Amino acid sequence: QAGLTQPPSVSKGLRQTATLTCTGNSNNVGNQGAAWLQQHQGHPPKLLSYRGNNRPSGISERFSASGSGNTASLTITGLQPEDEADYYCSAWDSSLSAWVFGGGTKLTVL
Amino acid sequence: QITLKESGPTLVKPTQTLTLTCAFSGFSLTTSGVGVGWIRQPPTKALEWLALIYWDGAERYSPSLKSRLTITKDTSKSQVVLTMTNMDPVDTSIYYCAHRNAVYGDLDYWGQGTLVTVSS
Repeated sequence: QAGLTQPPSVSKGLRQTATLTCTGNSNNVGNQGAAWLQQHQGHPPKLLSYRGNNRPSGISERFSASGSGNTASLTITGLQPEDEADYYCSAWDSSLSAWVFGGGTKLTVL
Repeated sequence: QITLKESGPTLVKPTQTLTLTCAFSGFSLTTSGVGVGWIRQPPTKALEWLALIYWDGAERYSPSLKSRLTITKDTSKSQVVLTMTNMDPVDTSIYYCAHRNAVYGDLDYWGQGTLVTVSS
């Protein structure tokens, strides 16, 4: 079951910018932010951003994360066909002592 | 480089106990801050976190599944084992293990996953 809220789908055109959102509460996203993962069909998730908006080595600068209050955002600039995937946010919930994930956003690049 | 690989049965019967093994390399589960977690994903559905074990042996479980889960580690073999009791068809999922980053605390390296089907 998803503990964080993400829009089910977002569609944007090629070379446009997409901003995906993830809403939690003060015990998770509002506390330490959210990490972002990308998952292509049939593949395991891949980390795009750590909490604190730090990109792992090898992740394109086109992916940038930010946060405000209980909402985290992932912005993808210059959309490419290979960006079409499912995107998940995750956070540690300090009240549950558990990881929580969002329900995922399916990004379609038109 | 860090790699993880899940292994276990592909088919289990309802009420049986599932045992999955995560074999990892490229890091040590004795390093402060490091952990290994398990996450599952039913076909076409979202990710669901199950459990995490830390370098110091501390365990954390999903509140909704805690009574059915046990996570253990064998640092000498570089393995983490997850057991889930009383399996049900709704537990049919791809099961992933992942490395917890010691600095940022996030799950940054994931295995390829293993599909477990629960059916009689």
